Amino acid sequence: GENVEQHPSTLSVQEGDSAVIKCTYSDSASNYFPWYKQELGKGPQLIIDIRSNVGEKKDQRIAVTLNKTAKHFSLHITETQPEDSAVYFCAASDTGSYQLTFGKGTKLSVIP
Amino acid sequence: SAVISQKPSRDICQRGTSLTIQCQVDSQVTMMFWYRQQPGQSLTLIATANQGSEATYESGFVIDKFPISRPNLTFSTLTVSNMSPEDSSIYLCSVPGQMNTEAFFGQGTRLTVV
Repeated sequence: GENVEQHPSTLSVQEGDSAVIKCTYSDSASNYFPWYKQELGKGPQLIIDIRSNVGEKKDQRIAVTLNKTAKHFSLHITETQPEDSAVYFCAASDTGSYQLTFGKGTKLSVIP
Repeated sequence: SAVISQKPSRDICQRGTSLTIQCQVDSQVTMMFWYRQQPGQSLTLIATANQGSEATYESGFVIDKFPISRPNLTFSTLTVSNMSPEDSSIYLCSVPGQMNTEAFFGQGTRLTVV
């Protein structure tokens, strides 16, 4: 089955700096890669996703890049703000399946 | 995205008892998913709830421990049976999006077993 590795497990940045979280996956059949943000006491919220026919996708301060050859994808947050502090999860799936395999999460702390 | 409501949002239960968690969606969906998130850990899929048929369980999860109902296309329940402290987790309901690949989550049920 699919295995998703996520690094780092914790990340502290100064407000205004950039944050990068990286994930690798094992199953070459995976072609859908979402990122979730989970705030304390809440369910995961989908913040951005990318499909295998695209190398990069941006949405305001958030971007995701995908390298299918190397089987890794990354989340980039620019101009971080304190409200970006949360746990971020990457995931992977095959679009023929509904099942997502999640990474172990990254706790991001943005220091004012 | 669909609006997903879970009840209860949290509960503290005695070991040996059972708790039923409800998940209500504001639109009809073919599949609903139940995940477990143990303290400080990632999300693990428990089972897929299909309307009109038995749920499909992932490796390590069995129907006797986690019975699931799916009476219609907008509602599902997950029961955590004969609970032990190891069952203390957040249980999350999820539904796919229009593209059938995105997953949207409810706010979760935070269960503590004492």
